[in-house]
Amino acid sequence: AQKVTQAQTEISVVEKEDVTLDCVYETRDTTYYLFWYKQPPSGELVFLIRRNSFDEQNEISGRYSWNFQKSTSSFNFTITASQVVDSAVYFCALSPLDTGRRALTFGSGTRLQVQP
Amino acid sequence: DTGVSQNPRHKITKRGQNVTFRCDPISEHNRLYWYRQTLGQGPEFLTYFQNEAQLEKSRLLSDRFSAERPKGSFSTLEIQRTEQGDSAMYLCASSRKGLSGGDNEQFFGPGTRLTVL
Repeated sequence: AQKVTQAQTEISVVEKEDVTLDCVYETRDTTYYLFWYKQPPSGELVFLIRRNSFDEQNEISGRYSWNFQKSTSSFNFTITASQVVDSAVYFCALSPLDTGRRALTFGSGTRLQVQP
Repeated sequence: DTGVSQNPRHKITKRGQNVTFRCDPISEHNRLYWYRQTLGQGPEFLTYFQNEAQLEKSRLLSDRFSAERPKGSFSTLEIQRTEQGDSAMYLCASSRKGLSGGDNEQFFGPGTRLTVL
């Protein structure tokens, strides 16, 4: 069975603050993918990043960075110098790296509010 | 527009009625997924197609739910004898099979919001 836990239900920050969204996962699969998606108020899920389980290099894309630590089963997401447009619900997700099984298991999401 | 499209965007129905939703994936994507999202929760997987073959089904997909992808392009999700508990956002996603056989990221459509009265 797979499980994704996003313990932070809601986070509120002031613009330009850095913020980290936590994600902890459980899986019996030895190889898997991890994802982050953004769901703005408009409702459509927007893909942000995919990592596979054998690549633990951290990744940076502009103001976004991701810290994958297999030893602690965590895949945390940091937004540097947050902006009001970052306000959204962010979901962490997990899927097996297996051609027959492709379902994404999502966490319950973290609502980020960035105040001006 | 080359994204995933879903129709209708909203559906209000009375309990006991049947409803059908349509999803058109990104044209070069051979994999198509259905998810359900209720308020305050993350999406929950329902089913997945590779081309026209339905390869995976969740236990959430009761016998009142059926999904098809007859020609490996668009897909339909039908709910028979709707119940109030079926009220949710129904999301469709598509992805392209990677060169090495692995999956690429799933791109989501805007969803169909179902309200069962």
